[in-house]
Amino acid sequence: DIQMTQSPSTLSASVGDRVTITCRASQIITDWLAWYQQKPGKAPKVLIYRASNLESGVPPRFSGSGSGTDFTLTISSLQPDDLATYYCQQYDTFPWTFGQGTKVEIK
Amino acid sequence: EVQLVQSGAEVKKPGESLTISCRCSGYTFTKSWIGWVRQMPGRGLEWMGIIDPRDFDIRYTPSFQGQVTISADRSINTAYLQWSSLKPSDTAMYYCARLNGYVDSWGQGTLVTVSP
Repeated sequence: DIQMTQSPSTLSASVGDRVTITCRASQIITDWLAWYQQKPGKAPKVLIYRASNLESGVPPRFSGSGSGTDFTLTISSLQPDDLATYYCQQYDTFPWTFGQGTKVEIK
Repeated sequence: EVQLVQSGAEVKKPGESLTISCRCSGYTFTKSWIGWVRQMPGRGLEWMGIIDPRDFDIRYTPSFQGQVTISADRSINTAYLQWSSLKPSDTAMYYCARLNGYVDSWGQGTLVTVSP
């Protein structure tokens, strides 16, 4: 299975800060990577697909980049509504796999 | 509007059987794979398996192979996740998900609690 490693596991930042989460795949996945946001008690929601494509309706402060094995999710200006856990997921090779998650807290 | 509506929360005893469902609407059911994702309490997301409702092609993540059964009924646009003998370690939230490569729509989740 392809292992997905996210860092950091937890992140605390202030409103307005630029936040970056990284995700590394154990083998090349081209750009078959998605980012999801899961708020407490809710189902996940897609933010980014194909590594850098913003899902319709997602605020433009979210962006994704990377290819191959190294990927990044960036929140350009953190908002209170962004309190959530963020997961990367590869869909290059089944079984698809998620990263372990990054919990974003607001200072 | 695409909607995936899951069946309600379940409380079961070890050894009991269970089937949970995911009713899909707002799109052509046979045009997208459906997957199931487990989230144990306080933990991350894990893929369990996926099904193509068009031809019932099913793929299981190895750790879930033989532990659950995934199926679908095209006549009522519904996917299912089934256990024949539940264990306390099956206690988790289970999500169904529509696949467009990635997951573009999620069910609301079904909480399964297995306790003596």
